Amino acid sequence: DIQLTQSPSFLSASVGDRVTITCRASQGISSYLAWYQQKPGKAPKLLIYAASTLQSGVPSRFSGSGSGTEFTLTISSLQPEDFATYYCQQLNSYPPLTFGGGTKVEIK
Amino acid sequence: QVQLVQSGAEVKKPGASVKVSCKASGYTFTSYGISWVRQAPGQGLEWMGWISAYNGNTNYAQKLQGRVTMTTDTSTSTAYMELRSLRSDDTAVYYCAREGGLLLSGAFDIWGQGTMVTVSS
Repeated sequence: DIQLTQSPSFLSASVGDRVTITCRASQGISSYLAWYQQKPGKAPKLLIYAASTLQSGVPSRFSGSGSGTEFTLTISSLQPEDFATYYCQQLNSYPPLTFGGGTKVEIK
Repeated sequence: QVQLVQSGAEVKKPGASVKVSCKASGYTFTSYGISWVRQAPGQGLEWMGWISAYNGNTNYAQKLQGRVTMTTDTSTSTAYMELRSLRSDDTAVYYCAREGGLLLSGAFDIWGQGTMVTVSS
């Protein structure tokens, strides 16, 4: 199975900050990586697919990069509605389609 | 609009079975696969398996093999997930999600609202 390790698992940031979350895969997954945002009590929401393609309707302050084994999700200027938990997911090979452990972004 | 609507919360005893439904609307059901994902309280996301709504082919997570069955009813555009021999650690919110196909590299673009399944004696 392909393991995904997200870091950090928790971060505290202020509105307007630039935030970067890293996702490392245990083996190469090309660009088959997606990022999701989840708010408490809600279903996850797709932000980015194919490592760097912004899903329709997602604000441009979100961006993704990387390929192979290392990927990043960047929020260029954190907004109040961005405080949530973020997950990466590999779509290169399954079963299983693994998720990272999550990164919780909280208000400083 | 495109949406997935799941059945309501369930409370089950250990050893019982649960069947969760996921009704699709707003798109051609048979053109996409459906994955099921669960989330235990306070924990991360766990992929359970996938079913093709086109031909019923399935692919399950190894840890659930033998306990889970995913099916579809194309006449009602509904996907189902049945989990048997329930244990306390199956307590979780269960989500269905549409796989966005090749255009989205298989990412999950539409999610159901989630179904809470509680396993307790």
